[in-house]
Amino acid sequence: NAGVTQTPKFQVLKTGQSMTLQCAQDMNHEYMSWYRQDPGMGLRLIHYSVGAGITDQGEVPNGYNVSRSTTEDFPLRLLSAAPSQTSVYFCASSKADEQFFGPGTRLTVL
Amino acid sequence: RKEVEQDPGPFNVPEGATVAFNCTYSNSASQSFFWYRQDCRKEPKLLMSVYSSGNEDGRFTAQLNRASQYISLLIRDSKLSDSATYLCVVLSNDYKLSFGAGTTVTVRA
Repeated sequence: NAGVTQTPKFQVLKTGQSMTLQCAQDMNHEYMSWYRQDPGMGLRLIHYSVGAGITDQGEVPNGYNVSRSTTEDFPLRLLSAAPSQTSVYFCASSKADEQFFGPGTRLTVL
Repeated sequence: RKEVEQDPGPFNVPEGATVAFNCTYSNSASQSFFWYRQDCRKEPKLLMSVYSSGNEDGRFTAQLNRASQYISLLIRDSKLSDSATYLCVVLSNDYKLSFGAGTTVTVRA
């Protein structure tokens, strides 16, 4: 099992550009989520999904879209990148109470 | 007020020492509690769940104090490999996960 995979690992964007962060899991978990991690703060939930075709907003959803067309994939789309979106992004899938995180994407917006 | 608060540290301890730190949570209806470990520039990984009666996993002991709304983690006989950031995670009764910002532990030789 690869677990949770994320691409790319690093990305630099200019303000206003859009991009998609990819996330995939091979554990057949229904629940998937996206977090951002900023210095001095805990992980904050951006969006989550309880199954294919179902998504919902988390704590900090503004500026991000998600879709869940399959159980395996949960991409996160930045619509128009802003410097405030510079962060480390983690995708996670979960079974019961344990979260399995991907390796993260380090995004810098100039 | 943050839902989960942790002393950021760092806690610098020599090998073999015991180190302990707490995490406080604001929602008295929280139902489940966890410690995650995060190595530098890596993803968080579950270290252990925290049960009401307290639980131990090798050199790690976790305690829950519902009356005072805190959980603790104690590491005995510290190893160099224990150097990491430890995240306190709380699951509320409406199934919302809240993460603390983490406590950094550095074990020196």
